[in-house]
Amino acid sequence: ETGVTQTPRHLVMGMTNKKSLKCEQHLGHNAMYWYKQSAKKPLELMFVYSLEERVENNSVPSRFSPECPNSSHLFLHLHTLQPEDSALYLCASRLEIASSTDTQYFGPGTRLTVL
Amino acid sequence: KNEVEQSPQNLTAQEGEFITINCSYSVGISALHWLQQHPGGGIVSLFMLSSGKKKHGRLIATINIQEKHSSLHITASHPRDSAVYICAVLNRDDKIIFGKGTRLHILP
Repeated sequence: ETGVTQTPRHLVMGMTNKKSLKCEQHLGHNAMYWYKQSAKKPLELMFVYSLEERVENNSVPSRFSPECPNSSHLFLHLHTLQPEDSALYLCASRLEIASSTDTQYFGPGTRLTVL
Repeated sequence: KNEVEQSPQNLTAQEGEFITINCSYSVGISALHWLQQHPGGGIVSLFMLSSGKKKHGRLIATINIQEKHSSLHITASHPRDSAVYICAVLNRDDKIIFGKGTRLHILP
């Protein structure tokens, strides 16, 4: 148990659906991250937020829309996804984005299947 | 006991030294990742292994499935290699399990 929670843990959606993934941490961390873990592929960094401000967007398609309303919550809004978007989506948090002494704490992930 | 154990937890070495970081795991896996985290940013993936050995530049990763052990080697280490190195495995239930990381500091 890392202190980072994600809901739902599993999600099946059609290509025309709109859904949201939620990440929550009460560790007092100021930096939050979304990662994508596809089958047979390395972990990919998608978005980075620091103090609710997006600081990094790694060329992610616009059908993925992040939202960080406060430093404890991070959302990933999904719409018109493709089957190749099926993956494990991991959220992580860290005390500060530019800290040399901290590692990231990962949530358990949301397993997304797009039909 | 954690399902993924890394050693050492912290490592300080002089520039040019050969570095080895170890990862042992206790579960059946479909793949193992070595990840790098620099102080200023998110985690990036260095290697994904399911067998054998891979090499990228000065980095070499090996895995022994029978012994449930993997190593990450850095040849001719440089201060810019200073980072946290994380071993992560994907188990047979498709769950990703992270090691606690090894903090590497290379002195000029």
